[in-house]
Amino acid sequence: GIQVEQSPPDLILQEGANSTLRCNFSDSVNNLQWFHQNPWGQLINLFYIPSGTKQNGRLSATTVATERYSLLYISSSQTTDSGVYFCVFSVGDYKLSFGAGTTVTVRA
Amino acid sequence: KAGVTQTPRYLIKTRGQQVTLSCSPISGHRSVSWYQQTPGQGLQFLFEYFSETQRNKGNFPGRFSGRQFSNSRSEMNVSTLELGDSALYLCASRSGSVETQYFGPGTRLLVL
Repeated sequence: GIQVEQSPPDLILQEGANSTLRCNFSDSVNNLQWFHQNPWGQLINLFYIPSGTKQNGRLSATTVATERYSLLYISSSQTTDSGVYFCVFSVGDYKLSFGAGTTVTVRA
Repeated sequence: KAGVTQTPRYLIKTRGQQVTLSCSPISGHRSVSWYQQTPGQGLQFLFEYFSETQRNKGNFPGRFSGRQFSNSRSEMNVSTLELGDSALYLCASRSGSVETQYFGPGTRLLVL
């Protein structure tokens, strides 16, 4: 199956700092997305980004499908950004496959 | 619209017991998927139901089963619980393509 590598595995930030999370794939993937799981377990879809760049407030994402990677940028981080960030792709038209995640801790 | 709801939110069971978890999808969504999240294995797909039929199943033993009712509510059942079944169980509903899945808050199951 397709291997997904997320880096870094853990990230500690001071409030207000910027950061970049990366996701590498061993092969082409479908329907690439980024999810955030808050400390209470709730998963929220951040971006559907099979290619190109999207921005939503302080978050933005870029996927370069031809080079099999995606980046998630967090700017001016806040404590509410803490949690685990997953890059996710679909297998077929029904199943989501999750990377191992990057655990982000933002300190006040 | 109300989001995806899951009950109960927390559950403690002992080995050998069985458990039933419930998921109510967003109104109008006919597809419900279940995922298991553990520290060791991460998030893994369990199965998906659409219009009361199981369409797809992940690599889990037969102790894990589910069903979907005519109102699209879904239940999953785990029989003969093992310690390794301790996990966060998440369900997700969608109306269309896979990128529009919405997750519930999850049920935390602890098996003692």
